[in-house]
Amino acid sequence: DIQMTQSPSFLSASVGDRVTINCKASQNINKYLNWYQQKLGEAPKRLIYNTNNLQTGIPSRFSGSGSGTDYTLTISSLQPEDFATYFCLQHNSFPGTFGGGTKLELK
Amino acid sequence: QVQLQQSGAELAKPGSSVKISCKASGYTFTSYYISWIKQTTGQGLEYIGYINTGSGGTNYNEKFKGKATLTVDKSSSTAFMQLSSLTPDDSAVYYCARGPTGDYWGQGVMVTVSS
Repeated sequence: DIQMTQSPSFLSASVGDRVTINCKASQNINKYLNWYQQKLGEAPKRLIYNTNNLQTGIPSRFSGSGSGTDYTLTISSLQPEDFATYFCLQHNSFPGTFGGGTKLELK
Repeated sequence: QVQLQQSGAELAKPGSSVKISCKASGYTFTSYYISWIKQTTGQGLEYIGYINTGSGGTNYNEKFKGKATLTVDKSSSTAFMQLSSLTPDDSAVYYCARGPTGDYWGQGVMVTVSS
């Protein structure tokens, strides 16, 4: 299975900050990388699919980039509702595998 | 709007089985696979497998073969996952999600295995 290493595991930031979260795959995943947001007690919500495609209804402050083995989620200006856990999912090969998650906390 | 409504929390004894459901609405059920994902604090998120809701064909993560059985009832737009021979390691929140990569997820079902 492809291993996904996500960093950082924890991130403290303030409203208005620009933050980046990274996922590194153990092999080339051909941009088949999704990003999800999960708030406590809620179902995960897909933000980005296939590296850089914004899910309908997701604010444009969220963006994704990357290629090969390295991928990044960027939030350009943090809003209060963005404090949550984020994780990536590679779906280049079966079974899909997830990053370990990044908990984004208010500084 | 797309909704995946999962059944309620389960408390089960070691060695027993549970069957959890995922009822879809707001779209054509047979146009999308249903995936199942396990979430624990220790192991994070693990992909169990998916079912082709039209044909009933399945694809399981090797790790969950023999543990999980995926089925569908097209007449009620509902997908099911049965977990068998339960152990405490099966205690987790289980999600269903639409499609092989989960564009929409259910609210999750907490399964607790305890004697």
